[in-house]
Amino acid sequence: NAGVTQTPKFQVLKTGQSMTLQCAQDMNHEYMSWYRQDPGMGLRLIHYSVGAGITDQGEVPNGYNVSRSTTEDFPLRLLSAAPSQTSVYFCATQGEGANYGYTFGSGTRLTVV
Amino acid sequence: ILNVEQSPQSLHVQEGDSTNFTCSFPSSNFYALHWYRWETAKSPEALFVMTLNGDEKKKGRISATLNTKEGYSYLYIKGSQPEDSATYLCAFRSAGNQFYFGTGTSLTVIP
Repeated sequence: NAGVTQTPKFQVLKTGQSMTLQCAQDMNHEYMSWYRQDPGMGLRLIHYSVGAGITDQGEVPNGYNVSRSTTEDFPLRLLSAAPSQTSVYFCATQGEGANYGYTFGSGTRLTVV
Repeated sequence: ILNVEQSPQSLHVQEGDSTNFTCSFPSSNFYALHWYRWETAKSPEALFVMTLNGDEKKKGRISATLNTKEGYSYLYIKGSQPEDSATYLCAFRSAGNQFYFGTGTSLTVIP
């Protein structure tokens, strides 16, 4: 099993460009989420989904869109990249029930110039 | 937005020393408390998920305790080894299924 697969691992964008960060999981988890990690800020929730067709905003959703058409995939879209979106992005899934922790993808390091 | 605080921010210990650090979280609306180990250039890996007041979990030389009434959890490492060097993250999971991460404690074990 691959677990949680994130692509790409690295990306450089120019201000105003758009891109999609991909996240796929093969664990059949309903709950998926996107975080960004910035120095001194910890992990901050961007968007999350509790199942196919259902998404909701987290702590820092502005500038990002998500969709969840299947259980397996949860892409994160940047419609018009800004330097403030330079960060490391993590996709994570979680199994049902209180005793499950997150399984994280390997991260995407994004630089917006 | 809830406040999850971890202390200290960083610490250096000698190989063989035991150490501990703290995660503080709101005592209301509690559902679970997670601990993660995060090595540089990798993604966080789950260590413990704790749900009940008074819970104690152990994995090898690492253990954790939970006090939901006063809103804190301790992570202990006995006989630290260089491979224990990492950032240790805690995350508070609310009853509304929101997760709030602390900023982590960065541990360096000096051989």
